[in-house]
This record gives sequence, structure tokens and C-alpha cells, in this order.
Amino acid sequence: DTAVSQTPKYLVTQMGNDKSIKCEQNLGHDTMYWYKQDSKKFLKIMFSYNNKELIINETVPNRFSPKSPDKAHLNLHINSLELGDSAVYFCASSLSQGGGETQYFGPGTRLLVL
Amino acid sequence: AQKITQTQPGMFVQEKEAVTLDCTYDTSDPSYGLFWYKQPSSGEMIFLIYQGSYDQQNATEGRYSLNFQKARKSANLVISASQLGDSAMYFCAMREWNTDKLIFGTGTRLQVFP
Repeated sequence: DTAVSQTPKYLVTQMGNDKSIKCEQNLGHDTMYWYKQDSKKFLKIMFSYNNKELIINETVPNRFSPKSPDKAHLNLHINSLELGDSAVYFCASSLSQGGGETQYFGPGTRLLVL
Repeated sequence: AQKITQTQPGMFVQEKEAVTLDCTYDTSDPSYGLFWYKQPSSGEMIFLIYQGSYDQQNATEGRYSLNFQKARKSANLVISASQLGDSAMYFCAMREWNTDKLIFGTGTRLQVFP
């Protein structure tokens, strides 16, 4: 009965590879997000989708491409992985857009690029 | 531009004592929401408490309360009766009503000792 789930939990890969991270929420929320947490624990938003529509694209390299097949899923595909992409990637969801809505986070995907 | 500042990189507290984690924010939007999240060593992001900019009373959730001082633009988290399990990183975050971006502070690492 996990609310926001992500797969895989850990991802170790070589530079130059392409990888995907999947996210699913069973909360019935309309809005989903991707965040990146760097090695200093700083969290920054990357993308948000509202009901499958891209709302926020926060100056992320276009090697990162989010895809939302339906409002319960938001996947993140990363092409040509670089060392600097090593981080923890969190998916989150909220009932809707708007300042008062709480975002609930998934467990995170720890990506290590070698 | 919106900004969140957490000036305490680390805090220590003895079990059963209360502790205050500081958070100040900056925004030109009169409508916003303030959030606190906990990140234990296992890595997940756990929502703790929310305060809306128009809320007249300070938010409380169990042992957590938010000391909201709007004129000073501060939103400090107070944890009463600390427990060993409270040892974690704590993040303050803000979201303006007219954007969908949740902006995080740099976090405070709390350690509770017996």
C-alpha cells in the first residue's frame, strides 16, 4: 500500500549509458514531480506534471526527459549519463497544483555513475 | 525570488528535551505555504507539518509545532520531548501560491543523545 513508489532503488551504471527511473503513485493525485538531491543534500526541483501535462521544466539538461503516460505515473529517462548526474532522485506527488498542497515523496533512487 | 535559509547545519539535543530548528524565508508573494520534512539516515523524505501564510494559528502535529512569525518571515520547527528516532536531517521548504515550485533550505542535521 505504498503511496509513492520508485524503481529501482539503486542504480549503478557507466558514463554514457541511458537509464530510466519509474515512479508510481496510488494516492489519486493530479500532480507529480521529480527532484534531485546532490551530495550536499540540497534538493532541487527538476520537473512537474499536472494531469500528464508538463508544468515545470527547471533548466535541466535535455538529456533528462520526463514522461507521464497517465496521471499516476511519471518516469524519468536520462541519456548519455555523466558523472555529475550521480545523485538521489526523488519522485513526489500532490493532490493538485498550488501553494497549499503537500507534496508526498517516494523513497528515492540512488544513482551512481562510474 | 523565493528563498529559504536554515542557518543551523547541525544541532544536538538530549532525549526528552525540546529543540527548535530555525527557518527564515523570503518571498514577495503574499500567499504561500511553508513545510517541514524529515529525512532519516534511511533516505526517505517524510512530511511533518504545514503552515499557510494566512493561517492565524501556529500549526501543530503531535510533538511537532511550527512557530510562525510572519512579520519576521520565520517558520521555526519545535520538536517537544525529543526521541532518539528524531535524529535526522530536517528541511524547511516554501511554495508560493502562484508557482508550483517547492524550494528547500539546506537542512539541519539533528542528533538526539541519551
